[in-house]
Amino acid sequence: RKEVEQDPGPFNVPEGATVAFNCTYSNSASQSFFWYRQDCRKEPKLLMSVYSSGNEDGRFTAQLNRASQYISLLIRDSKLSDSATYLCVAGFQKLVFGTGTRLLVSP
Amino acid sequence: NAGVTQTPKFQVLKTGQSMTLQCAQDMNHNSMYWYRQDPGMGLRLIYYSASEGTTDKGEVPNGYNVSRLNKREFSLRLESAAPSQTSVYFCASSPGQGGFGTNEKLFFGSGTQLSVL
Repeated sequence: RKEVEQDPGPFNVPEGATVAFNCTYSNSASQSFFWYRQDCRKEPKLLMSVYSSGNEDGRFTAQLNRASQYISLLIRDSKLSDSATYLCVAGFQKLVFGTGTRLLVSP
Repeated sequence: NAGVTQTPKFQVLKTGQSMTLQCAQDMNHNSMYWYRQDPGMGLRLIYYSASEGTTDKGEVPNGYNVSRLNKREFSLRLESAAPSQTSVYFCASSPGQGGFGTNEKLFFGSGTQLSVL
């Protein structure tokens, strides 16, 4: 079993839609959680940290459920520019990256 | 402000050749990392350096060596390249000292596409 698992997608959504991704992690000692965004053939870039209380950054909302060991990312009012691969990251002393969920937003 | 700079961007090697991937950061970060990314595998840590003068193995260190030349630079060397090392390599840095501290955010370079024939 992978330490961090994500649905690879792709998730195909129209502009303006709301889309949610989930990610599960196996190490219950994990303390650091993030979502990174990666465009095709580019480097990963930090999208947002994920906190236990949940956090929001504009159209993006991240949630952490420690009991069930999953992390979620909600994107509201999807834009064409949101098309990318979203990497879930969890860890304790070392960060483990998921393989990513691909999002395609169409006009 | 360049951030994390990696060279080269592309490289083709023959099996058995050696090469060094260079990485430099200008953010005064303490920790630096080398990852490889393969389809279906996600990013996997090769080596990291929690501070100048220290290096530690990550998840997949075999076949690689690293040097933390100074606070800015962290190089990755392939002594005898193998086809299994065909991958995209990313260097990253983070502000904290001691490797992966809680909520340590990583800043990545633009990557090196390496093919070993």
